[in-house]
Amino acid sequence: LAKTTQPISMDSYEGQEVNITCSHNNIATNDYITWYQQFPSQGPRFIIQGYKTKVTNEVASLFIPADRKSSTLSLPRVSLSDTAVYYCLVGPTSGFQKLVFGTGTRLLVSP
Amino acid sequence: ETGVTQTPRHLVMGMTNKKSLKCEQHLGHNAMYWYKQSAKKPLELMFVYSLEERVENNSVPSRFSPECPNSSHLFLHLHTLQPEDSALYLCASSHTGLAGGNEQFFGPGTRLTVL
Repeated sequence: LAKTTQPISMDSYEGQEVNITCSHNNIATNDYITWYQQFPSQGPRFIIQGYKTKVTNEVASLFIPADRKSSTLSLPRVSLSDTAVYYCLVGPTSGFQKLVFGTGTRLLVSP
Repeated sequence: ETGVTQTPRHLVMGMTNKKSLKCEQHLGHNAMYWYKQSAKKPLELMFVYSLEERVENNSVPSRFSPECPNSSHLFLHLHTLQPEDSALYLCASSHTGLAGGNEQFFGPGTRLTVL
């Protein structure tokens, strides 16, 4: 089971780009990297998933270097509503593997 | 709306009570999960039902009992709980079970308080 390491917290201001990096040194060949967002007293919400290089959707971008031992979630021009906890998870899309959420990164966006 | 509903949203119970949490998914998924999230702690996977097979976290006390009558419904039966069981209980579903790379859709949670 690939373990992930993220910063505990980050601070930003409205309109800035935020990059949250996750380390996953023992990622397996068939593992994907998935990011979730969680607001207080709500369930986590899927943001983005990738295997290698770069993935972009309407919410965020995910950058994965060639060695796949880390990944960076990029949130462009954050707003106050992006204040949340962001989780990085690593795992396959088939087969049996327990999903483990770490402590995540608490992002605080200020005016 | 994620397609996963949970009832009740809030529950206060005494240690001698018996109650049940309900989860329903309208996404056609075949795996459902129960998570516990205590204050300032990571989500803890409690149980998974995948294609009618159950997998559980061995650290979950027996006072929590899951039931999955079909692929769309999941229950968590509670009895003789302790105050430390107070937490947010989250239900989730996905296309297949347990593979960590599969997108999970979470419900809004049930905020449980044990007095």
